[in-house]
Amino acid sequence: DAKTTQPNSMESNEEEPVHLPCNHSTISGTDYIHWYRQLPSQGPEYVIHGLTSNVNNRMASLAIAEDRKSSTLILHRATLRDAAVYYCILRDRSGGSNYKLTFGKGTLLTVNP
Amino acid sequence: NAGVTQTPKFRILKIGQSMTLQCAQDMNHNYMYWYRQDPGMGLKLIYYSVGAGITDKGEVPNGYNVSRSTTEDFPLRLELAAPSQTSVYFCASREAGGQVDEQFFGPGTRLTVL
Repeated sequence: DAKTTQPNSMESNEEEPVHLPCNHSTISGTDYIHWYRQLPSQGPEYVIHGLTSNVNNRMASLAIAEDRKSSTLILHRATLRDAAVYYCILRDRSGGSNYKLTFGKGTLLTVNP
Repeated sequence: NAGVTQTPKFRILKIGQSMTLQCAQDMNHNYMYWYRQDPGMGLKLIYYSVGAGITDKGEVPNGYNVSRSTTEDFPLRLELAAPSQTSVYFCASREAGGQVDEQFFGPGTRLTVL
């Protein structure tokens, strides 16, 4: 499985934008880029995913580099509730993967009031 | 919808004891998963199921067993608990195919083996 590299931790101030980077230099053409987050003492929750084009939803935006070797999760205005561990995951959409996710250690985001 | 539910929330076991972690979902999802999360680490896949009657091993299946007799339920069995199984266990589900590419996670079961 192609791997991802994320910073161990990042810090932000409330109501400021946050850009969480992810490197995935060995990504294959069939890999989707997924982001999940895990709030303290909770199970992970889906944030966003994409393949080639930038994606937006109500939670965040995903900016994908043209060569797909890196991506950035953008939280437009961080709130205290956004403090969590953010996981960047590559998921193979080709047949036989059974939609399994491989979690790394992720990035711990701290949001300061 | 209740989503994905897990019971119990917490459990302490003695070495060698057995227990079943329960997981249920009410979203009619075909795919279900069991993960474990050790302190400061990401989640590791234990077992998964693509439908009733079909299960397969994940990354760390040793010491665990699963069954899937219904679409809704996916219990995880620990036969001889060991301290190395102290962890937080998460169950997840997703629908097969379709446009929604998302796993839904339960709140977790925190297990301590002493």
